[in-house]
Amino acid sequence: ETGVTQSPTHLIKTRGQQVTLRCSSQSGHNTVSWYQQALGQGPQFIFQYYREEENGRGNFPPRFSGLQFPNYSSELNVNALELDDSALYLCASSFGGKINIQYFGAGTRLSVL
Amino acid sequence: AQSVTQLDSQVPVFEEAPVELRCNYSSSVSVYLFWYVQYPNQGLQLLLKYLSGSTLVKGINGFEAEFNKSQTSFHLRKPSVHISDTAEYFCAVRGPPGGGNKLTFGTGTQLKVEL
Repeated sequence: ETGVTQSPTHLIKTRGQQVTLRCSSQSGHNTVSWYQQALGQGPQFIFQYYREEENGRGNFPPRFSGLQFPNYSSELNVNALELDDSALYLCASSFGGKINIQYFGAGTRLSVL
Repeated sequence: AQSVTQLDSQVPVFEEAPVELRCNYSSSVSVYLFWYVQYPNQGLQLLLKYLSGSTLVKGINGFEAEFNKSQTSFHLRKPSVHISDTAEYFCAVRGPPGGGNKLTFGTGTQLKVEL
């Protein structure tokens, strides 16, 4: 158990819709990172938030956006869903700083039809 | 930019046999290295990490890894595997502080332990 919880566990959407995924960080952690894991692939970095500010972004279009709240929980929003957005979305929380070990939640499985 | 290559997509092994999962990385700067395990329908669990110091790193569940800077490798080993070790294993690299905190993952190695 990492103490990182994600909701929902599964989600089915249709192309063009919008989706919001949620993540509750481990107690004491102030940094959250989001990753997309397509079937049979390793996780790909989407972005990271540190103390409510975006702190790095991977090669994802602007329709992927995020928020981090004062209690350090986080949301990932995806607009105009495409079929290729079907994946496991993983949230990882960390304390930040020099070492910044990331601890992952169980993920949200998104299917876009 | 960093990259990670996991040379084997699948590794079948009999129970109680030793196993080595290979990982090579590419980076122009010093890095931190990690191995994560993913059981079916679950998230990633940290197995072990190399940050600095001793090049032999011990992790959970009897796994260990050796950092080899000259060969840019970080292979994962276990002297005797159990059926419960069947899972997907990911090697990941992270750059030094100030260079971004993202993890770059390999494509994974599926370890299948057979009786």
